[in-house]
Amino acid sequence: SQKIEQNSEALNIQEGKTATLTCNYTNYSPAYLQWYRQDPGRGPVFLLLIRKNEKEKRKERLKVTFDTTLKQSLFHITASQPADSATYLCAPPQGGSASKIIFGSGTRLSIRP
Amino acid sequence: NAGVTQTPKFRILKIGQSMTLQCAQDMNHNYMYWYRQDPGMGLKLIYYSVGAGITDKGEVPNGYNVSRSTTEDFPLRLELAAPSQTSVYFCASSYQSSGNTIYFGEGSWLTVV
Repeated sequence: SQKIEQNSEALNIQEGKTATLTCNYTNYSPAYLQWYRQDPGRGPVFLLLIRKNEKEKRKERLKVTFDTTLKQSLFHITASQPADSATYLCAPPQGGSASKIIFGSGTRLSIRP
Repeated sequence: NAGVTQTPKFRILKIGQSMTLQCAQDMNHNYMYWYRQDPGMGLKLIYYSVGAGITDKGEVPNGYNVSRSTTEDFPLRLELAAPSQTSVYFCASSYQSSGNTIYFGEGSWLTVV
């Protein structure tokens, strides 16, 4: 069956360091993948989208890579700040339906001062 | 611009009761989604719709029903509420699914006792 896996354990990073989050998918090949940020008690907010023909996408301190061979996307936050503390979700469309957007379980990121 | 509006924000239901969670968007989006999120867990897709009159099941549709009579509205009906349906429910929409941003509502907190 098609699966999306993100690190279930929280990631604790020292302020100023680069945080790297992983999203692995199995048994299918999404045409694109999105990353979202979710703060406690709030709905997710879109951050970045990367398509399968793009190796890398950047937005300010954020960078996403998409390796279709490894079936993996990496999400990087450089020069991390305490305000970056949140849960980060990856969301590739599932199966043959581009409209069926399934979210990974998310990785909780904590940036300590 | 209101975006995605969900009502009610909070609700307590007794086992066996039924209710409808309302969702409306004013962005003329054709795709709409309902997700649930249990405490400390990821988002699970309940139902989604690609346009008025068209709905489809997501990952966890049992115990729920939806309808999409207009582009703007996508209500979620809970029949015979059970404690397992205690969760936060998020409605979301996007203009088209092929890589467009998904916008989320603020969530509806439902407790079944």
